[in-house]
Amino acid sequence: GAGVSQSPSNKVTEKGKDVELRCDPISGHTALYWYRQSLGQGLEFLIYFQGNSAPDKSGLPSDRFSAERTGGSVSTLTIQRTQQEDSAVYLCASSPSRVEGSPLHFGNGTRLTVT
Amino acid sequence: DQQVKQNSPSLSVQEGRISILNCDYTNSMFDYFLWYKKYPAEGPTFLISISSIKDKNEDGRFTVFLNKSAKHLSLHIVPSQPGDSAVYFCAASDRGSRLTFGEGTQLTVNP
Repeated sequence: GAGVSQSPSNKVTEKGKDVELRCDPISGHTALYWYRQSLGQGLEFLIYFQGNSAPDKSGLPSDRFSAERTGGSVSTLTIQRTQQEDSAVYLCASSPSRVEGSPLHFGNGTRLTVT
Repeated sequence: DQQVKQNSPSLSVQEGRISILNCDYTNSMFDYFLWYKKYPAEGPTFLISISSIKDKNEDGRFTVFLNKSAKHLSLHIVPSQPGDSAVYFCAASDRGSRLTFGEGTQLTVNP
């Protein structure tokens, strides 16, 4: 069966440009998460969608970051006016419900490089 | 404020020996803990979990121990195999909310 799919796998952009990262979760999974991993760092939480509830945006580092999830499925993470410190691997994960008993399934990530 | 910490960035063991990966947390509200394994250029994959009502969970070569009073958990891999070489992340959640991850430990198992 298909896992979590992320596109593009790699993205190089110039400082100041906007980028969109896409995540296709596993079909039927109601929870969707975005994390990022900067070089040599752990996974940093960005945003969490659960069903029709209001998303938990508490991890977004600035107002240049936004995310949406359309129809409870595909999600797009948008970074406006990219900065060099935005360079990282952006990971999407989904799960059938809440964390207990349904561990997150991660995609392979999008490696973003801001030059 | 790092609520989940893995103090050892790297660990090297010989094939066949035991690997012990450690994790400490500060948030007493965490009630579910997980370990993930990550290979280069891939997303993390779930390995094993434990609820706060237990102190041990075993799955084949992998055992997770939880010491709530010390706010410490550990992952034991025995016997270690070269294919176990990867980055291991400890993670915790508070009543089913988002996972908070540690910084990861690079495990290298030498043949």
